[in-house]
Amino acid sequence: QVHLVQSGAEVKKPGASVKVSCKASGYTFTGYFIHWVRQAPGQGLEWMGWINPNNGDTDYAQKFQDWVTMTRDTTISTAYMELSRLRSDYSAVYYCARGGYGDALDIWGQGTMVTVSS
Amino acid sequence: DIQLTQSPSFLSASVGDRVTITCRASQGIYNYLAWYQQKPGKAPKLLIYGASTLQSGVPSRFSGSGSGTEFTLTISSLQPEDFATYYCQQLNSYPPWTFGQGTKVEIK
Repeated sequence: QVHLVQSGAEVKKPGASVKVSCKASGYTFTGYFIHWVRQAPGQGLEWMGWINPNNGDTDYAQKFQDWVTMTRDTTISTAYMELSRLRSDYSAVYYCARGGYGDALDIWGQGTMVTVSS
Repeated sequence: DIQLTQSPSFLSASVGDRVTITCRASQGIYNYLAWYQQKPGKAPKLLIYGASTLQSGVPSRFSGSGSGTEFTLTISSLQPEDFATYYCQQLNSYPPWTFGQGTKVEIK
């Protein structure tokens, strides 16, 4: 079965960084992009960007360009999203999802809650 | 960036009702549109891609239509498990691949 399993909830102070992982199983990791989607409390979905695990290419939505970095480790079929210079309004659930370039997101991780609080 | 506007934002309906949700794009996106269902505390689930193609395993009471700038998601006979929030997402050409603001379907 195809799965994406994300790392657990995080609580961070403003100004800190956090790295969320997304481990893929059941399919060829390098064959699909990994997208990241944010959902603030009580709000809708925001597409943040993607990484191509095959070559490490990334593309970020302009809103997130200054504080998001997406990477991957193909040896363990895991994608990462690092959020830097955290602010309280960055508190949200972050999802990873499998897709292609312009393809719908067919498999989703369970989400990782990141809370930024002093 | 392409903007997506869903209507209505909130919908109250009964089991067995036919429900239609509309998603309008600020510019033409051909058929590069997907629909997702999200239940509280859960990750979104893909229902429809390519505007009208049903994802494997999704019940046939769900259907999608449209192209260009106007799209619809229809649930032919609402079931108790369908009460959720629904999002459209455009996947046309260059990112960002934006989502609509969501439509919450609640029990009447």
